[in-house]
Amino acid sequence: AQRVTQPEKLLSVFKGAPVELKCNYSYSGSPELFWYVQYSRQRLQLLLRHISRESIKGFTADLNKGETSFHLKKPFAQEEDSAMYYCALSVGNTDKLIFGTGTRLQVFP
Amino acid sequence: GAVVSQHPSRVICKSGTSVKIECRSLDFQATTMFWYRQFPKQSLMLMATSNEGSKATYEQGVEKDKFLINHASLTLSTLTVTSAHPEDSSFYICSAPSPTTSNQPQHFGDGTRLSIL
Repeated sequence: AQRVTQPEKLLSVFKGAPVELKCNYSYSGSPELFWYVQYSRQRLQLLLRHISRESIKGFTADLNKGETSFHLKKPFAQEEDSAMYYCALSVGNTDKLIFGTGTRLQVFP
Repeated sequence: GAVVSQHPSRVICKSGTSVKIECRSLDFQATTMFWYRQFPKQSLMLMATSNEGSKATYEQGVEKDKFLINHASLTLSTLTVTSAHPEDSSFYICSAPSPTTSNQPQHFGDGTRLSIL
């Protein structure tokens, strides 16, 4: 079955500290993975996708098929990074997304 | 850029009433839209795929007769929660795939918070 697991509900760090938001997936096919972010009182928006292999707002994520993981990392967290982060898996050739339970990142000054 | 509008943003109604939620793609056409449900502090759960001109495809465990989906045009999908009860209270979000290969593969609405008294 397709599943996305985000083990941490809340991650609190101080400004300037490194951040890693964990995501593991379960999918028998070739996965396409995303990180979505939801800032306070805003709609869900894409942060990055694994096929782009890019860095957005200092965040990166590498797909590790051996560990079935797609952890989100940032070397130096900023206060404006405080938000809800969702890892998502795209299923097959459809646009359907399977979401993880989300991790709330709090960055303290 | 492409925008998805969802209406209403919030609705409070009595148990037993039916509630309709609209999802519109404002400047692009969407043959497919998705409806999600989000419980407090939980993930977005895909409920169904809305298909323009044909029946919606429901995920396992979602009651078709409870959550009626109509995709009557290329810019509008509606979700009707029929005979709503308190356990239907939740946050409902729609999304539509981007019409182009943009940085945003899907565009999400702002969501509708449904509260059944």
